[in-house]
Amino acid sequence: AQKVTQAQTEISVVEKEDVTLDCVYETRDTTYYLFWYKQPPSGELVFLIRRNSFDEQNEISGRYSWNFQKSTSSFNFTITASQVVDSAVYFCALSSLGDDMRFGAGTRLTVKP
Amino acid sequence: DTGVSQDPRHKITKRGQNVTFRCDPISEHNRLYWYRQTLGQGPEFLTYFQNEAQLEKSRLLSDRFSAERPKGSFSTLEIQRTEQGDSAMYLCASSYGYEQYFGPGTRLTVT
Repeated sequence: AQKVTQAQTEISVVEKEDVTLDCVYETRDTTYYLFWYKQPPSGELVFLIRRNSFDEQNEISGRYSWNFQKSTSSFNFTITASQVVDSAVYFCALSSLGDDMRFGAGTRLTVKP
Repeated sequence: DTGVSQDPRHKITKRGQNVTFRCDPISEHNRLYWYRQTLGQGPEFLTYFQNEAQLEKSRLLSDRFSAERPKGSFSTLEIQRTEQGDSAMYLCASSYGYEQYFGPGTRLTVT
């Protein structure tokens, strides 16, 4: 069975603080894909990143960075120097072979000015 | 390049009525997915198509739900004899590779 756990329900930070969103997953598959999506107040899910199970290299994209560790089954997401526009619900998701995605319950991030 | 579109964006219906939603995927995407999202939760998978073939259905998809994707283009999701528990956001996504791109969703309210 596949499962994604986002233990942080809500996080509130002040602008310019760094914030890390945690994601822990469970799967028996050896090949799988991990994703992060952003859902702003407008409601539309926005794709941020995909990582496959064979690639543990961390990735940085501007203020965003992702830390994938198979040893702890974690795929954490860090926003550096947060901005008000980063306020949204962030979802971590897991998929095998490109079929259905299993989403976590999401973490609501509020960035205050 | 246009994204995934869904119609209608909002639907209010009375319990027991049938409703149909439409999804138009990104044109070159061969896979199309339906999800349901309730307040405070992540999206839950309902079903997906590769071209016109429906390849997987979740156990969430009761016999009141049916989805089609004729000719492998747009897709429809129909809910028959709606119940109040069907109230949710219905999301459509499409993909060509492994990442799925989502539409704006159809918010269904069953009164």
